[in-house]
Amino acid sequence: DGGITQSPKYLFRKEGQNVTLSCEQNLNHDAMYWYRQDPGQGLRLIYYSQIVNDFQKGDIAEGYSVSREKKESFPLTVTSAQKNPTAFYLCASRPTGVTEKLFFGSGTQLSVL
Amino acid sequence: GEDVEQSLFLSVREGDSSVINCTYTDSSSTYLYWYKQEPGAGLQLLTYIFSNMDMKQDQRLTVLLNKKDKHLSLRIADTQTGDSAIYFCAESVSNTDKLIFGTGTRLQVFP
Repeated sequence: DGGITQSPKYLFRKEGQNVTLSCEQNLNHDAMYWYRQDPGQGLRLIYYSQIVNDFQKGDIAEGYSVSREKKESFPLTVTSAQKNPTAFYLCASRPTGVTEKLFFGSGTQLSVL
Repeated sequence: GEDVEQSLFLSVREGDSSVINCTYTDSSSTYLYWYKQEPGAGLQLLTYIFSNMDMKQDQRLTVLLNKKDKHLSLRIADTQTGDSAIYFCAESVSNTDKLIFGTGTRLQVFP
């Protein structure tokens, strides 16, 4: 089945630790996105990538890093510089030029120990 | 900058209609969207409307767009308990590849 897979479902981070959230898609989509969701707030864009080896900062990129070495994969690293990382993280993808077809993964809940 | 606003909660009786409202700021948005999120899951695209349309109907869903007031609504007819979820309004930002999401409206359907 085609889709977007996020892993792990739940992740715990210790103080001062970097953690990486995985996002893989087999939909052959060019564009991929990372959003952060906090209770009572909308989704906020962290980073997005329209093509392999290229990505742009979203509205809240500080404390996060990404890479796009392969079309299928867009991992997000939450660094120790992100002081309030507890949130639900959503990855999404879509084909180029088809703005309405944004497909989401099932999310990763990150908590701080 | 761009902003999308929604009320946080809506409670309706099963079988009644639900109307979820949204206001946005980018008057040049090309598309406006409604997404549904069930607990602990990702977002699912419900429907969308192109900015030159006033209304779009898709089975139990009706989307109304008032461009003058920058107001978007989603009406769910014959609301069922399975419709209980968070509903997000989103607008495409002109000349970018980004979507701006609202805060989400939590719809609770009671028997």
